[in-house]
Amino acid sequence: VQLLESGGGLVQPGGSLRLSCAASGFTFRSYVMSWVRQAPGKGLEWVSGISVGGENTYHADSVKGRFTISRDNSKNTLFLQMNSLRAEDTAVYYCAKDFYSGSSGPPSLFDYWGRGTLVTVAS
Amino acid sequence: NFMLTQPHSVSDSPGKTVTISCTGSGGSIASNYVQWYQQRPGSAPTTVIYEDDQRPSGVPDRFSGSIDSSSNSASLTISGLKTEDEADYYCQSYDGSNPVIFGGGTRLTVL
Repeated sequence: VQLLESGGGLVQPGGSLRLSCAASGFTFRSYVMSWVRQAPGKGLEWVSGISVGGENTYHADSVKGRFTISRDNSKNTLFLQMNSLRAEDTAVYYCAKDFYSGSSGPPSLFDYWGRGTLVTVAS
Repeated sequence: NFMLTQPHSVSDSPGKTVTISCTGSGGSIASNYVQWYQQRPGSAPTTVIYEDDQRPSGVPDRFSGSIDSSSNSASLTISGLKTEDEADYYCQSYDGSNPVIFGGGTRLTVL
């Protein structure tokens, strides 16, 4: 299993960024996927999750209305569109794979994580 | 809202046994599975315990997990401490209203 995030970088407050996570080594379309972030020196915070077919999405209150998670099962890729970015969104963003196959529900627990991509929101 | 609380840090010497607690509030910790992740500096988290007390392949049996409904808490116990166990440890669970919840993390120092 490999999860490779990309798209991070420096962005000004109020700006937008789109993260991608390229998945390989497993049947991507069969697993719920999530984004989890970690601010510098802080703990883990779940951000967003998406059902296997993409029909159901879930977001933490801290990003609701600003972030959108999506997936392209034909390309084995997970996305996170981040708008109206704030300084407090500065973090390493990890892509994470759910443990259970074929779940139709929200994210539950993770068995594989990517190495992360750093997003810095600053002027 | 369901929350998980961990001690900020624990420490002990090589060869000893250490236990990290994860206390639930705002709901029953036994309602959904608890996982434990290890995160070494500069690395992504990895799973050391899933579904309360299961060890992924490759995780030594020095790592064990348990649930205590009476205290509404989960515990990660590491026996025969090694310097390589020094890391941050996070408990995690989930519920319907707030899909994924992490504890604040515990820094384990092996003296």
